[in-house]
Amino acid sequence: SDELTQPPSLSVSPGQTASIACSGDKLGDKFACWYQQKPGQSPVLVIYGDTRRPPGIPERFSGSKSGKIAILTINGTQTTDEADYYCQAWDSSNVFGGGTKLTVL
Amino acid sequence: EVQLVESGGGLVKPGGSLRLSCEASGLIFTKAWMNWVRQAPGKGLEWIGRIKSKSDGGTADLATPVKGRFTISRDDSKATMYLQMNSLKTEDTAVYYCTTPYFWSGLDIWGQGTVVTVSS
Repeated sequence: SDELTQPPSLSVSPGQTASIACSGDKLGDKFACWYQQKPGQSPVLVIYGDTRRPPGIPERFSGSKSGKIAILTINGTQTTDEADYYCQAWDSSNVFGGGTKLTVL
Repeated sequence: EVQLVESGGGLVKPGGSLRLSCEASGLIFTKAWMNWVRQAPGKGLEWIGRIKSKSDGGTADLATPVKGRFTISRDDSKATMYLQMNSLKTEDTAVYYCTTPYFWSGLDIWGQGTVVTVSS
């Protein structure tokens, strides 16, 4: 299956750790990417290659993967991290997960 | 500064056509694999297609929901990618983004998006 499954929402308090999981068959042999999208803005790549962070992305963002499950972790979550987060399996179809709305309050 | 600028969005009736453009600057366009991603109102991101660089074959791949109706092309002399949309449906209403994996193995460069509304 091409589908990637994410929880629709997650709520954390400031300073806590947020972990968003993404599962799908394609993650078994494809790298995972993660994108952050704030309201009214274009998405921003925050993780690529399962674990790599592009320049300019805060160190509190990290990625991991085990088998067919990828996880985006935000340590010491800040209110500015409130956004929608999407996973993606990096391959020919580039399918996205359904997105997770992270609320920080 | 690397920049992608979409244009061509607007209001169109069901069954109609529209052509979107994505003009790139600040990057070596001839090497870029260019993608279109859309987002329906209140919904998630949906990858709809990609065109490879000419040196990698220049072929386009389209997602199932738009295959046969949409076409992606590029004009390297103008550093521009196009999305020709035919037989538009109300469910094609969305913000359309162009994006490319330029520096990293992920879609790291995005345009601001252009809005397409399909309605009678």
